Amino acid sequence: AQSVTQPDIHITVSEGASLELRCNYSYGATPYLFWYVQSPGQGLQLLLKYFSGDTLVQGIKGFEAEFKRSQSSFNLRKPSVHWSDAAEYFCAVPDRSQGNLIFGKGTKLSVKP
Amino acid sequence: ETGVTQSPTHLIKTRGQQVTLRCSSQSGHNTVSWYQQALGQGPQFIFQYYREEENGRGNFPPRFSGLQFPNYSSELNVNALELDDSALYLCASSRDSQETQYFGPGTRLLVL
Repeated sequence: AQSVTQPDIHITVSEGASLELRCNYSYGATPYLFWYVQSPGQGLQLLLKYFSGDTLVQGIKGFEAEFKRSQSSFNLRKPSVHWSDAAEYFCAVPDRSQGNLIFGKGTKLSVKP
Repeated sequence: ETGVTQSPTHLIKTRGQQVTLRCSSQSGHNTVSWYQQALGQGPQFIFQYYREEENGRGNFPPRFSGLQFPNYSSELNVNALELDDSALYLCASSRDSQETQYFGPGTRLLVL
């Protein structure tokens, strides 16, 4: 069965510091992969997606993610975090038998001034 | 282009009541998926509607039901509400059943 693991429940970084949020997946084939961001009390906004091709994917708000097949990972990165990046981040893969997304439990990002 | 919209934004119900949540899909999208997000958890798939037909269902009881209309908007109905139904309900639309999903702002349901 497909699954997504986000090992870090909560991460705190200083404003201006670099960020890496981890995502590991179990899929059985080359997956499509997604990162979404959720601000407090809000819906999910798509940050970026990987379908095929270049393993380094650029997204909105200065985020990027790298697909590493050998490590079954799709980590999200940003070189310099802004206070407005404080939110919860979700990694997701599609269910191979249905059209829905399977989400990780999320990583909450706090940003220190 | 209008994004995905949901109504109402917040709702308070008592145990045993019934509730209907609404979702308008993004222009050009024929698929709507519904998710339940409990506090501190990731979204859990409820069901998906593709061209007015149910196209997949997660591990939710039959008291969770849905509908999709010819304009591809959708409703989620929950009967016999339980306290554990308190959650954020998210709707997502996509161009097709396997395409990228775009989410609405959600409806926060509180069951007392």
